[in-house]
Amino acid sequence: SQKIEQNSEALNIQEGKTATLTCNYTNYSPAYLQWYRQDPGRGPVFLLLIRENEKEKRKERLKVTFDTTLKQSLFHITASQPADSATYLCALQNSGYSTLTFGKGTMLLVSP
Amino acid sequence: EAEVAQSPRYKITEKSQAVAFWCDPISGHATLYWYRQILGQGPELLVQFQDESVVDDSQLPKDRFSAERLKGVDSTLKIQPAELGDSAMYLCASSGQTDTQYFGPGTRLTVL
Repeated sequence: SQKIEQNSEALNIQEGKTATLTCNYTNYSPAYLQWYRQDPGRGPVFLLLIRENEKEKRKERLKVTFDTTLKQSLFHITASQPADSATYLCALQNSGYSTLTFGKGTMLLVSP
Repeated sequence: EAEVAQSPRYKITEKSQAVAFWCDPISGHATLYWYRQILGQGPELLVQFQDESVVDDSQLPKDRFSAERLKGVDSTLKIQPAELGDSAMYLCASSGQTDTQYFGPGTRLTVL
């Protein structure tokens, strides 16, 4: 069966450190993968998209890697700040389909 | 900055009652999505529209849920009758020429 797995346990880090979140998938052939941020009681907000033929994408303090052999994406936030505390969702679009499937998300807590 | 609008933000209803949610996508966005998100889970697609046509409603419980986008602009999602298990956040999203989805603030439904 198809699965998108994100660490269900919250990630606690100190301000200034790099946060690394993981998204693993099974039985997908994703055309691309997206990362979203969601604050409590709000809708998700798009952060980054990486395509199957791309290895890495950067945007300001954010970096995403995509390894289709390992079937894994890593999401990094460098120089993390308390304002980065939120739930981060990964989402896949399977090749040949137009719909997006989301993982359960990982909560990030950045302490001052 | 253009946003997806949803109303109401909160809805409390008793089981067996009918409820309706409204969504106004970003102007010019042809694709509209309705998702359901249970606490602690990622959003799950209920229905996807391309203009006024349904592209995917495979996960929509059609015995009680209905969705329409009559003029290809705003959309309504209805539940009749509501059940206790329908308590969740209902999210609307839209997308234009890119694969990025823009989410609204959601409607928090509580069924008593």
